[in-house]
Amino acid sequence: SQQGEEDPQALSIQEGENATMNCSYKTSINNLQWYRQNSGRGLVHLILIRSNEREKHSGRLRVTLDTSKKSSSLLITASRAADTASYFCATDAWGAQKLVFGQGTRLTINP
Amino acid sequence: EAGVAQSPRYKIIEKRQSVAFWCNPISGHATLYWYQQILGQGPKLLIQFQNNGVVDDSQLPKDRFSAERLKGVDSTLKIQPAKLEDSAVYLCASSLLRDVSETQYFGPGTRLLVL
Repeated sequence: SQQGEEDPQALSIQEGENATMNCSYKTSINNLQWYRQNSGRGLVHLILIRSNEREKHSGRLRVTLDTSKKSSSLLITASRAADTASYFCATDAWGAQKLVFGQGTRLTINP
Repeated sequence: EAGVAQSPRYKIIEKRQSVAFWCNPISGHATLYWYQQILGQGPKLLIQFQNNGVVDDSQLPKDRFSAERLKGVDSTLKIQPAKLEDSAVYLCASSLLRDVSETQYFGPGTRLLVL
């Protein structure tokens, strides 16, 4: 079963705009990670946020985590055409010792 | 450093046939994962190895799927016999340590189509 659910399933924006994707999950977690997958390629790790953290930044990426709402968001600022990809959140639940991926958000950046 | 290598990249077979996928992880990575990614979904863990031992194979359909990592380096995943619902991308990933918070590095995947 997939623990995380991303919202929206698909997002199309203009280059330069900000993109926000959300992830909701069901059980208590240790960490939440975000991965990117370009078409026809493997996944690339973007960022990890621990359950005791509320916000984390990496370059143009900003991730928030609200454990009370069991949700996370990924913000990509000043989007570029190269950001076109699918984005997945992945959680590791307490005691599970494995990642469970959501179904992903397909992001399209229009030039 | 070289990434995770997988072969073949594409495979088309008929149902009830057998197929095998190969993965070579990043050098020195002790943990190896096989995931199944069905179109439009996120990856689902099939099996996890720590060196040459199985850590988790709870979601591996053991009546038809098998995997091995005999020398603790490269790995093969086999499906025998294949069903239509096995059509998916099979992703291999590796990480330096077993800790689930470790970054997983993914290969490009093998796209399987079962007719």
